[in-house]
Amino acid sequence: DGGITQSPKYLFRKEGQNVTLSCEQNLNHDAMYWYRQDPGQGLRLIYYSQIVNDFQKGDIAEGYSVSREKKESFPLTVTSAQKNPTAFYLCASSIPTGYNQPQHFGDGTRLSIL
Amino acid sequence: AQKITQTQPGMFVQEKEAVTLDCTYDTSDQSYGLFWYKQPSSGEMIFLIYQGSYDEQNATEGRYSLNFQKARKSANLVISASQLGDSAMYFCAMRDFISSGSARQLTFGSGTQLTVLP
Repeated sequence: DGGITQSPKYLFRKEGQNVTLSCEQNLNHDAMYWYRQDPGQGLRLIYYSQIVNDFQKGDIAEGYSVSREKKESFPLTVTSAQKNPTAFYLCASSIPTGYNQPQHFGDGTRLSIL
Repeated sequence: AQKITQTQPGMFVQEKEAVTLDCTYDTSDQSYGLFWYKQPSSGEMIFLIYQGSYDEQNATEGRYSLNFQKARKSANLVISASQLGDSAMYFCAMRDFISSGSARQLTFGSGTQLTVLP
């Protein structure tokens, strides 16, 4: 079945450490997105990519980095510059053209600070 | 900039009854899409229903329908015959559309936690 796979499900980060969250999709979607969700709140966009080797900052990109070397993969690195990384991270993909296309989401990664 | 407002942090409904979850939006664009997502406690986001700004009829998907009032900029979700499995967080989101081929982000509201009572 087609879908989006995020790993790991749970991740712990030590102070000063960079960690990378994986996102893989087999839906053949060109566009991919990373969102952050804090408890009891909605989703905020971190980065998005419309095509391979191209990505754009979202609303809260500071302290994060991404790469898009393959269509299927859009990993997110939470750097030590992100001072409050504890949150739920969701990856999504979609067909980029047209405003009627829904984004499909993975099951998320919960990141906590040790 | 787009903004989505969900004014009901929490809602309760009796099993088998209908419930309406409110959503208002603010945009200066003429072309946009409105989406509703369900997020169970496990965390995944499940797409429920879509309404385009130029659609003349309200969208329906099974027990879900969207009460779209464009002049009032509201897109309320109606769930009929509520089931225990409907207990979840519900998010309204909007995607604007500037030009063909342009991927646009979704702007999300803060969500409504729905609890279905037996």
